[in-house]
Amino acid sequence: DAKTTQPPSMDCAEGRAANLPCNHSTISGNEYVYWYRQIHSQGPQYIIHGLKNNETNEMASLIITEDRKSSTLILPHATLRDTAVYYCIVYNQGGKLIFGQGTELSVKP
Amino acid sequence: EPEVTQTPSHQVTQMGQEVILRCVPISNHLYFYWYRQILGQKVEFLVSFYNNEISEKSEIFDDQFSVERPDGSNFTLKIRSTKLEDSAMYFCASKSSGSGGELFFGEGSRLTVL
Repeated sequence: DAKTTQPPSMDCAEGRAANLPCNHSTISGNEYVYWYRQIHSQGPQYIIHGLKNNETNEMASLIITEDRKSSTLILPHATLRDTAVYYCIVYNQGGKLIFGQGTELSVKP
Repeated sequence: EPEVTQTPSHQVTQMGQEVILRCVPISNHLYFYWYRQILGQKVEFLVSFYNNEISEKSEIFDDQFSVERPDGSNFTLKIRSTKLEDSAMYFCASKSSGSGGELFFGEGSRLTVL
């Protein structure tokens, strides 16, 4: 079973930052936090991952708390095309990814 | 940008028929996966494959399912005798190494069993 807890849905206004929370209180020391998203019924798309430090790439930023029990994915300027289901996954980089239910983000004009 | 490609995009079949779903992973990747997603449900792991053998499989992946890498480029999922409940999107994924890097997913093959 997934080791993360995410809100089932969120709304965000177009052009504003979308902040998606994730709780992973049982994360182990060798486990990373990965974020994927799935637009409609397309294949899941990798967004970003991190271990301890905050990370940023061209798509998003990932903020991980110091105790690593929670994290936030930030889409700095959400567009309508960012409407998707966002999955927070705890992963030790070997083996399989296990998807939970994710957060359904709706970006509204 | 390299991508995972899957064929067919949609297949309709009769219950009891055999189905083969095909995937071409990214060329230098060594680890391969199949996932499925029943409509309205979450993405579920089926099987992982490395070095020409199954690394791990879920309880969904029963004797009706098999995977193969028949040549250096294709990775196939075969369902021997399809059931109504096999109707789903099937996603192939690949990864370059075992201890790092992200999984790259294909766009999926939609299987409809009538």
